Amino acid sequence: NAGVTQTPKFRVLKTGQSMTLLCAQDMNHEYMYWYRQDPGMGLRLIHYSVGEGTTAKGEVPDGYNVSRLKKQNFLLGLESAAPSQTSVYFCASKPTGGSGANVLTFGAGSRLTVL
Amino acid sequence: KNEVEQSPQNLTAQEGEFITINCSYSVGISALHWLQQHPGGGIVSLFMLSSGKKKHGRLIATINIQEKHSSLHITASHPRDSAVYICAVTFNTNAGKSTFGDGTTLTVKP
Repeated sequence: NAGVTQTPKFRVLKTGQSMTLLCAQDMNHEYMYWYRQDPGMGLRLIHYSVGEGTTAKGEVPDGYNVSRLKKQNFLLGLESAAPSQTSVYFCASKPTGGSGANVLTFGAGSRLTVL
Repeated sequence: KNEVEQSPQNLTAQEGEFITINCSYSVGISALHWLQQHPGGGIVSLFMLSSGKKKHGRLIATINIQEKHSSLHITASHPRDSAVYICAVTFNTNAGKSTFGDGTTLTVKP
């Protein structure tokens, strides 16, 4: 049981390049989230999804797009990378019911550097 | 605005000491998480609370719903407990989203 898997773990981009981060979970969770973590600022929500085919904006959505075409995958795209998007990105998921309701499971993180 | 505040921001302790980290929030919640993040590492969920108290090994988490306050205690602290501890709250009005505190950096010296 892999839990939440993020790929890639590290990436260096030049300003203006595009890329996609993949989050995959094998726990059949309904909710999925993308966060960024910056020094001194804690975790901030970029986008989230409450189920397959649905997405919504979080606290800091500008410059990012997401898609949830399959329940197990939540993709985060950077359309035109900027140095301000240098950060560590975390994906998380949680179920909506059962004994594990509200328990978040995090991926290992993806460190992105934009030059 | 929903807010989550943690204290202290930084904490240094000697091995064996009893540690307390606090988390206060502003409005009604459906759940509160305590998370642990080791330097350069991933984030692990330690506890999820909606009321009362939970214990796992040397870790104890309590929550007081009336006072809107939670504490994470570590008994007999050890250098391997050195990490950032993060409080995350799911507010009743936030449709499943969590709001995170800025974290408490704990260093336990041998």
